[in-house]
Amino acid sequence: GEDVEQSLFLSVREGDSSVINCTYTDSSSTYLYWYKQEPGAGLQLLTYIFSNMDMKQDQRLTVLLNKKDKHLSLRIADTQTGDSAIYFCAAHTGFQKLVFGTGTRLLVSP
Amino acid sequence: DSGVTQTPKHLITATGQRVTLRCSPRSGDLSVYWYQQSLDQGLQFLIQYYNGEERAKGNILERFSAQQFPDLHSELNLSSLELGDSALYFCASSYQETQYFGPGTRLLVL
Repeated sequence: GEDVEQSLFLSVREGDSSVINCTYTDSSSTYLYWYKQEPGAGLQLLTYIFSNMDMKQDQRLTVLLNKKDKHLSLRIADTQTGDSAIYFCAAHTGFQKLVFGTGTRLLVSP
Repeated sequence: DSGVTQTPKHLITATGQRVTLRCSPRSGDLSVYWYQQSLDQGLQFLIQYYNGEERAKGNILERFSAQQFPDLHSELNLSSLELGDSALYFCASSYQETQYFGPGTRLLVL
């Protein structure tokens, strides 16, 4: 089945760009998502990309998809302390479910 | 606010007991999904319902069951609870592929 991998931790300074990476195994995944989880909260959908796209930009967020390498990244420009959270990459499989990565904890220091 | 509501927010119970978690999907969404988030297993898909019918099943234990009612709300029933069932249980809903998550129910089994 699908397997999604992420690095566990990223630390940046306020104002820098953050890049969170994700790899997946199932090339037939149609949609790839980024969700954000703040402490004690639910999963907030940040953005998603369809598998026939290479890039999607949404304000401070840029998603890059390399289908050949099955690599997805989320770039957050001008990272703020309020961006500190856990970011989950998720792949939509043919069976309607989402397969999540382990999450990357982003820590933004002032 | 995703538009998905879950009750209760917190639940504390004892081993061997049975609990029911409730989810109301976003208006117009026909699909409801249940996920479990625990420290050791991460985010795991449990089950999906579409317009009252079971559509897909994931790593759901036999002690757990779910249903979706004619008004599209869903309930997840957890029985013979064990300490290891302590987790955050999320409900998500979708109209097509993109899933929107509720705030979760935090279950603590003592």
